[in-house]
Amino acid sequence: GENVEQHPSTLSVQEGDSAVIKCTYSDSASNYFPWYKQELGKRPQLIIDIRSNVGEKKDQRIAVTLNKTAKHFSLHITETQPEDSAVYFCAASSPPGQNFVFGPGTRLSVLP
Amino acid sequence: EAGVVQSPRYKIIEKKQPVAFWCNPISGHNTLYWYLQNLGQGPELLIRYENEEAVDDSQLPKDRFSAERLKGVDSTLKIQPAELGDSAVYLCASSLILSSGANVLTFGAGSRLTVL
Repeated sequence: GENVEQHPSTLSVQEGDSAVIKCTYSDSASNYFPWYKQELGKRPQLIIDIRSNVGEKKDQRIAVTLNKTAKHFSLHITETQPEDSAVYFCAASSPPGQNFVFGPGTRLSVLP
Repeated sequence: EAGVVQSPRYKIIEKKQPVAFWCNPISGHNTLYWYLQNLGQGPELLIRYENEEAVDDSQLPKDRFSAERLKGVDSTLKIQPAELGDSAVYLCASSLILSSGANVLTFGAGSRLTVL
C-alpha cells in the first residue's frame, strides 16, 4: 500500500522567511496530493492541493510543487507570519477508492 | 453548511469500559472515513465507507472496534472494551467524489478519548 514520508518533522523560521516542507510517496498510482494545516486542538484543514496532471499550484503565499517521476511533492510558504505556526500534513490519494494516506506531520514555528 | 459534526468532543473512561463516537458527515457526501490520530502523528485510517458499505476496514482492530453507517448517512464507531493504548483523537471525515475524479476530504473536530 501507499507510504508517505515527510520532512522535516520540526521547522523553525523567522517571521518573513520562507518555509519548505517535503513529502515522498511510494504508490505511482496516487494522483491527488492535499496539504492540511492543523492548529493545536483543532481539526486538520485543507490549505492547498495538487493533482498529478499539474506540476505546480500557487495560492497567495502558499505553493505546492509535484515531481511525479521522483514521487515527491513540496509545500512552500513565503513571507511567513506567526499565524502560520501549526502542524502541516501532506497526504496522497489514489483511485479508485480515493483513500488518503497521511505523512507524520511537520511542526512549523514562525518566530517573531 | 454545518460541516462534519462529531460527538462527544471529549470522553474520559476507565479501561475495559465501552465507548461510542458519532459522526454526521456533510450532506450529500457519500464517502465517510474514521481516522485515528495519536499525539504528534498524522491521521491513520481505521475504516472507510462508500455510502453504507465498508470498503476498507483493513486497519480496524476488529476484536474490539466496530463501526456502522446505517442508511449511508451518519456513522458510529465503538470500542469495547477500551484499553489504555486507545487514548487518542478519533477523527471523522467525509468527501464527495465528483465525476471529474476530484475528491476533497473534510474533517470533523474530532473526539478526544482518554482511557484511565
